[in-house]
Amino acid sequence: EAQVTQNPRYLITVTGKKLTVTCSQNMNHEYMSWYRQDPGLGLRQIYYSMNVEVTDKGDVPEGYKVSRKEKRNFPLILESPSPNQTSLYFCASRGTGAQPKQETQYFGPGTRLLVL
Amino acid sequence: GNSVTQMEGPVTLSEEAFLTINCTYTATGYPSLFWYVQYPGEGLQLLLKATKADDKGSNKGFEATYRKETTSFHLEKGSVQVSDSAVYFCALSDHDYKLSFGAGTTVTVRA
Repeated sequence: EAQVTQNPRYLITVTGKKLTVTCSQNMNHEYMSWYRQDPGLGLRQIYYSMNVEVTDKGDVPEGYKVSRKEKRNFPLILESPSPNQTSLYFCASRGTGAQPKQETQYFGPGTRLLVL
Repeated sequence: GNSVTQMEGPVTLSEEAFLTINCTYTATGYPSLFWYVQYPGEGLQLLLKATKADDKGSNKGFEATYRKETTSFHLEKGSVQVSDSAVYFCALSDHDYKLSFGAGTTVTVRA
């Protein structure tokens, strides 16, 4: 089954304690992305990756890091989490057809993070 | 820059009612337009899309037409069911590597 998986699904942590949220896809997609979802704001892009070792900032990258060492994995790293990073996080992937802007993005189930 | 504006919710309807969710956009180029749906406790999934002006996307009884003259992509369904209760997001893709989302509209359908 084609899917994007994220772990953990729920996480409670304290300010300053480094954490990593993993993301993996089995569709051989080149493009992967992280979003955060906050009430009234929709989804905002944090970082994206066009392929292995190629990453770039989205709209809200402050306080986050990513890496893309393998095509299937795209972890999100919070080196020193703060309460304003409490949110619902989604990983997504899509293929790169002839018209990338027409491609469907496939989303993971989400990770709900609470930073105390 | 690109932006998407959706009608604010929440929207509460009775079963078999007609649903419309308004969506307008601002884009510099010729974007593709999408509606994604998020069922409770799940990630987003594509509901329908349209890639050029006057295209109509449709799926599961939902429809939306890409109107370039009014920069709109309103979502409609003629007869909603309880199972349509979800959050609906309008989105556009113009730059090759980004989706821009609206704020989302929560729809609750009552039996």
